[in-house]
Amino acid sequence: QSVLTQPPSVSAAPGQKVTISCSGSSSNIGNNYVSWYQQLPGTAPKLLIYDNNKRPSGIPDRFSGSKSGTSATLGITGLQTGDEADYYCGTWDSSLPVFGGGTKLTVL
Amino acid sequence: EVQLVQSGAEVKKPGESLKISCKGYGYSFTNSWIGWVRQMPGKGLEWMGIIYPGDSDTRYSPSFQGQVTISADKSISTAYLQWSSLKASDTAMYYCARPYSGSDWGQGTLVTVSS
Repeated sequence: QSVLTQPPSVSAAPGQKVTISCSGSSSNIGNNYVSWYQQLPGTAPKLLIYDNNKRPSGIPDRFSGSKSGTSATLGITGLQTGDEADYYCGTWDSSLPVFGGGTKLTVL
Repeated sequence: EVQLVQSGAEVKKPGESLKISCKGYGYSFTNSWIGWVRQMPGKGLEWMGIIYPGDSDTRYSPSFQGQVTISADKSISTAYLQWSSLKASDTAMYYCARPYSGSDWGQGTLVTVSS
């Protein structure tokens, strides 16, 4: 049971927009930056968003992140079939890194 | 370019011991936290613990305290994850990663524990 709560699954059609939420508390999201990761089947996780809303080089601007209080949100616009993956939020809690439980994105 | 290169897949029997490794390249291994992430089959990512090779300061996630040992040898830029007595429930993919970087991950080491 993770300290960060994500919906188990979300779905949307190609070209549409989807958001994935990550809910925590003052001991984690409330006082730390949030990152988001994409994990395609059989591969290591890939950093999509860091410091709440920054994109590493090479990550398209279809991916965005935001944080408010003790919750964070990942947004993906212009959905593509290649975006089908598991998505995880991550932050720190009591000097240890933590992940959310993960959200499976299905592009219908 | 930062690279984390992990040791190969392992197949072990319950009760056996195991130590897997992760060698860092392209950054100051001594001065950067590094840790281990477990992913059980079909499940999510879990941080097991992290270590600072410079002074061996080690922190374990509560679920893994006492279950595994994380260590590092800064002279060869290598971090380790060790079990003294494996269980079938230790079957998983294990990744090393740099927690403050986020973008640096090893390729994963698949550990299979089966009688």
